[in-house]
Amino acid sequence: SQQGEEDPQALSIQEGENATMNCSYKTSINNLQWYRQNSGRGLVHLILIRSNEREKHSGRLRVTLDTSKKSSSLLITASRAADTASYFCATRESGGGADGLTFGKGTHLIIQP
Amino acid sequence: EPEVTQTPSHQVTQMGQEVILRCVPISNHLYFYWYRQILGQKVEFLVSFYNNEISEKSEIFDDQFSVERPDGSNFTLKIRSTKLEDSAMYFCASSRRDPRTGEQYFGPGTRLTVT
Repeated sequence: SQQGEEDPQALSIQEGENATMNCSYKTSINNLQWYRQNSGRGLVHLILIRSNEREKHSGRLRVTLDTSKKSSSLLITASRAADTASYFCATRESGGGADGLTFGKGTHLIIQP
Repeated sequence: EPEVTQTPSHQVTQMGQEVILRCVPISNHLYFYWYRQILGQKVEFLVSFYNNEISEKSEIFDDQFSVERPDGSNFTLKIRSTKLEDSAMYFCASSRRDPRTGEQYFGPGTRLTVT
């Protein structure tokens, strides 16, 4: 898989349920960031987790990072219809890597009311 | 809450024309970036800018692209001679801290359509 690959590609759940999205990457990283994008709109920054962190919370969001497996997960608890969007992970490579973030293709999340 | 702004929201231009996309980063941020997203594809890094010079650029950022910070607030991306394949959403981003540790905040994007 490519750097920053999200899984699944699409996810449809009922409002109130929890949504879990996964991200895998290939290289060593400084940090991993999750973004949300509503259709045709800009990228909204959700959370950043550093390579020396294992878990981070922000409101209904919980992000985990396993650097040994080069993977991260984003959990959205008690989902709402407004959470319908595409979610992307983006990594910043370490060891003199690019300043720019490397994005995955995203998970398209649909919350059914 | 401060945010990155971009103008215009949509730009239509003919092939071969020059376009300038404008961005106003968050005021106390020091690092600036341009990305693009071709319809249905991944967001791709173009260039980073710090201390009034290009810090890094990707393979996409060839000689037809240039960036400038003409004053203390604006950050621009110029495409000298547009091609059909330049049609994409262009995002500006900024961060307060360096890329190793800093969150990158994105603007709403400019949709560029080259006809």
